[in-house]
Amino acid sequence: QKEVEQNSGPLSVPEGAIASLNCTYSDRGSQSFFWYRQYSGKSPELIMSIYSNGDKEDGRFTAQLNKASQYVSLLIRDSQPSDSATYLCAVDNYGGSQGNLIFGKGTKLSVKP
Amino acid sequence: DTGVSQDPRHKITKRGQNVTFRCDPISEHNRLYWYRQTLGQGPEFLTYFQNEAQLEKSRLLSDRFSAERPKGSFSTLEIQRTEQGDSAMYLCASQGERVTGELFFGEGSRLTVL
Repeated sequence: QKEVEQNSGPLSVPEGAIASLNCTYSDRGSQSFFWYRQYSGKSPELIMSIYSNGDKEDGRFTAQLNKASQYVSLLIRDSQPSDSATYLCAVDNYGGSQGNLIFGKGTKLSVKP
Repeated sequence: DTGVSQDPRHKITKRGQNVTFRCDPISEHNRLYWYRQTLGQGPEFLTYFQNEAQLEKSRLLSDRFSAERPKGSFSTLEIQRTEQGDSAMYLCASQGERVTGELFFGEGSRLTVL
């Protein structure tokens, strides 16, 4: 059974702080890794994708991938109340189609003003 | 580009009834996916279409579920003889041919089976 594990939270950080979200995955064959943000009652939206080991930065967001440790993380710098949402880690289901993703249960982030 | 649209947004039905959901993907996207999400869980893959061909089905897609994508445009997901365990958000996502794994989700169709 392929799995993606995340701490469910809630993770609470003060406004302006760095939020650190973590994810581990079970299938060493996975090649594509994603972070989706989901506001309450809304659908997931892609915020970061990463395919190779190391860091990838996009604005206030940095994704980190370590395939040897089967570990993916997301850092959100200068956190804002508008970042309060559930963050879903997803990895490709190796052997499946490109959009066949395995999602974690998500980490709920709360940014306090 | 009007995004992925789904209809209806909410459906309440009694156990044993049939329901059908529709998804209209982003117009230039030839790949379409159905996912299911229950409360407190991440989305779970159900099925995948490339154009009109259904190329993948999850074991979650029991024989009560059927999906179609006639002419490679919109897609429908039908659930026959609904059960309370079918209550969930049914999400449709589309994907362009050149973009790897980046799914654009619709707002979902929430099903409540009484």
